Amino acid sequence: EPEVTQTPSHQVTQMGQEVILRCVPISNHLYFYWYRQILGQKVEFLVSFYNNEISEKSEIFDDQFSVERPDGSNFTLKIRSTKLEDSAMYFCASRGTSGSGNEQFFGPGTRLTVL
Amino acid sequence: GQQLNQSPQSMFIQEGEDVSMNCTSSSIFNTWLWYKQDPGEGPVLLIALYKAGELTSNGRLTAQFGITRKDSFLNISASIPSDVGIYFCAGLISGSTLGRLYFGRGTQLTVWP
Repeated sequence: EPEVTQTPSHQVTQMGQEVILRCVPISNHLYFYWYRQILGQKVEFLVSFYNNEISEKSEIFDDQFSVERPDGSNFTLKIRSTKLEDSAMYFCASRGTSGSGNEQFFGPGTRLTVL
Repeated sequence: GQQLNQSPQSMFIQEGEDVSMNCTSSSIFNTWLWYKQDPGEGPVLLIALYKAGELTSNGRLTAQFGITRKDSFLNISASIPSDVGIYFCAGLISGSTLGRLYFGRGTQLTVWP
């Protein structure tokens, strides 16, 4: 069964460093998302991406964040200068065509630890 | 932002018991999704609901889209130890086509054998 994959599973970085989180969405999906979950809290939306551009972003997704789909399969989230409060699980999700419903399928996540 | 009120926050039940949890919102939603999350893993989609009043089952799980379109519930019948985990409701606001999901705070389910 097709699934969303994410790498790395765990990333440890120093405050101020740049990190890139990688995702491979389900192959025929067209809508891509990043969410984050601080330990013990609910899942929060960061950004949605469709047709090679950002379609919506939350107040969390400030100038330090960026997303890219560098090729036909990868979808990345970059944090330019990490802060302690960026420590969280980051989930990538994807959704099929507009006619296939609003079901979003999540990857296993990347645990980001900022020291 | 939108707030989804999910209750109960946690449940401790005996194997074989039925479980019910629900979510309410102040906004009208056009989609309700229920996910299960195991420790250290991503949310796994259980059930998707698209119409007010819709009742959908997936094995021992049954979920309903409330008539007011502002609530949803999830029932688990005859619970088993592998049902342990955190259950999240998530919704898509009516009029949204971009797919931003709002999540509840989750219900932590513990099943005693």
